[in-house]
Amino acid sequence: DVKVTQSSRYLVKRTGEKVFLECVQDMDHENMFWYRQDPGLGLRLIYFSYDVKMKEKGDIPEGYSVSREKKERFSLILESASTNQTSMYLCASRVVGGATDTQYFGPGTRLTVL
Amino acid sequence: GDSVTQMEGPVTLSEEAFLTINCTYTATGYPSLFWYVQYPGEGLQLLLKATKADDKGSNKGFEATYRKETTSFHLEKGSVQVSDSAVYFCALSDWETSGSRLTFGEGTQLTVNP
Repeated sequence: DVKVTQSSRYLVKRTGEKVFLECVQDMDHENMFWYRQDPGLGLRLIYFSYDVKMKEKGDIPEGYSVSREKKERFSLILESASTNQTSMYLCASRVVGGATDTQYFGPGTRLTVL
Repeated sequence: GDSVTQMEGPVTLSEEAFLTINCTYTATGYPSLFWYVQYPGEGLQLLLKATKADDKGSNKGFEATYRKETTSFHLEKGSVQVSDSAVYFCALSDWETSGSRLTFGEGTQLTVNP
């Protein structure tokens, strides 16, 4: 089974801290994604990556950056956490095209910024 | 651009009732269509998918048919169970316009009462 793991299920940080959210997938997928999920707003794409060292902005990249140094790992970085970044963060990886086209999600990290 | 519209929730049903969650889409290409489910406290997982017009996806008693003429992909189940309580997301993948990104609907909260 494909597994996407996220480093923490729950995280509490203070305003201004630098926050790292880690995501690892074990299926050699080229495409990886970071979303945030908020009540009433659905899933919003922050950043995605289609290859090592490649990144693309999603719909709400402001206040975030990403790093993909290895194919299996995609990190989301909050450079200076703010209270409006309190949210559920979901990582995903995807194999594109054909019968096996599926996007797999991690369990999520619920981040609270105080 | 591409978009997905789901029926507004929340939806509350009694056990063994018939379920329909409507999903319509707008796309310029020939998208693949997906339904994802999110159980409480978890990430999203693929429920079913269809890659071309008139395909029917099915899984765990749920079904959805890709209707190009009505640009729809409605989710149905003949008899829901309490364990089906979750949030359901309709999504599309249109490689020509969005590459590897999925476009998600807002999600529909389903609660099934005993």
